[in-house]
Amino acid sequence: RKEVEQDPGPFNVPEGATVAFNCTYSNSASQSFFWYRQDCRKEPKLLMSVYSSGNEDGRFTAQLNRASQYISLLIRDSKLSDSATYLCVVINFNKFYFGSGTKLNVKP
Amino acid sequence: DTGVSQDPRHKITKRGQNVTFRCDPISEHNRLYWYRQTLGQGPEFLTYFQNEAQLEKSRLLSDRFSAERPKGSFSTLEIQRTEQGDSAMYLCASSLGPPQGSGTDTQYFGPGTRLTVL
Repeated sequence: RKEVEQDPGPFNVPEGATVAFNCTYSNSASQSFFWYRQDCRKEPKLLMSVYSSGNEDGRFTAQLNRASQYISLLIRDSKLSDSATYLCVVINFNKFYFGSGTKLNVKP
Repeated sequence: DTGVSQDPRHKITKRGQNVTFRCDPISEHNRLYWYRQTLGQGPEFLTYFQNEAQLEKSRLLSDRFSAERPKGSFSTLEIQRTEQGDSAMYLCASSLGPPQGSGTDTQYFGPGTRLTVL
């Protein structure tokens, strides 16, 4: 079983829509969680950390559910510029495990 | 530019040749990571350094792969006798390392070296 699993998508949404992605992880002892964004043929860039209490950064909200071992990312009021692949990252004992990414296409 | 840099950005080589990539991390970062990414997949961990010490190596890192960070600053990744299956994006990332007891860390990625083995 993979350490981190994501729905590859693509999620095709109109501008202004709200979209949510989930990511499941297999190791209950995982310590830290992140969402990264990756544009086509570019390097991953940190979007936000995911805290146990949940956290919000503008239009983006991240949640952690330790009981069910998943994290989520909610994007409100989608912009064309949000089109990218969103990578879920889980840290276990100093090793970073990346999901395969969920592709988001925001259409005009 | 104070970000992570990698050189070269692109490398095309013939099967059987050796290649070497370089990564310069953010200057105050203690940790340096190497990843490989193929199309449609997330980055796969290869190895990481804490200063000059190589602390972890993935099973993905065959005997043909070697990484060094001799002075705890820049790092090199060498692939010997390249195979077509080595074609991928090789990403380097650096971080400060987790604050004591926190278990968390944040990595910053370089632009990657895209390797094509013909």
